[in-house]
Amino acid sequence: GDSVTQMEGPVTLSEEAFLTINCTYTATGYPSLFWYVQYPGEGLQLLLKATKADDKGSNKGFEATYRKETTSFHLEKGSVQVSDSAVYFCALSDRNTGFQKLVFGTGTRLLVSP
Amino acid sequence: EAQVTQNPRYLITVTGKKLTVTCSQNMNHEYMSWYRQDPGLGLRQIYYSMNVEVTDKGDVPEGYKVSRKEKRNFPLILESPSPNQTSLYFCASSSRVGGTNANEQFFGPGTRLTVL
Repeated sequence: GDSVTQMEGPVTLSEEAFLTINCTYTATGYPSLFWYVQYPGEGLQLLLKATKADDKGSNKGFEATYRKETTSFHLEKGSVQVSDSAVYFCALSDRNTGFQKLVFGTGTRLLVSP
Repeated sequence: EAQVTQNPRYLITVTGKKLTVTCSQNMNHEYMSWYRQDPGLGLRQIYYSMNVEVTDKGDVPEGYKVSRKEKRNFPLILESPSPNQTSLYFCASSSRVGGTNANEQFFGPGTRLTVL
């Protein structure tokens, strides 16, 4: 079945550092890919998405590119802020479920210090 | 404001005492879903509903029930809770899509359940 693998956390960075959170996936066909963010005490919010190969999703300075050849969707940000501290989830959905069911990775906690 | 609401936000209960966690959305979404979040496991789908009176099992449905009598509401029922159902629960909703696009799922704030 479909699966998503994320790097273990926590990732600890200083403010203005470069961020990469790795995500790879296994799926049949051509899934849609997502990054969701969970701030402390809150539900998940969609950060960005990409629906086909080579698409780049971007939002709030974060970017991720859908790489079919490496089955990856790594999250990057050039300069993190303390307010980016949160848990980040990579997820996919595919045609088999009408693109409705999300399959999540285990989440990566990001801690940014001033 | 478009939102998904859940109640209660926190609940401590004892083994075997039936409980219901409510979920409501005001976006007229067809699709609703329940997930549980556990450390090291991410979020796993419990049940989902494609529309009123249409529900189906997700990946971890054992010990849970759902109903969808109205479009806006999708309660999660634990008939006889057990300690292994201690978890953080999220309700989500999205508009129905077909084809190749994928719509955003909107999540509620979560319900932290402890079963003693």
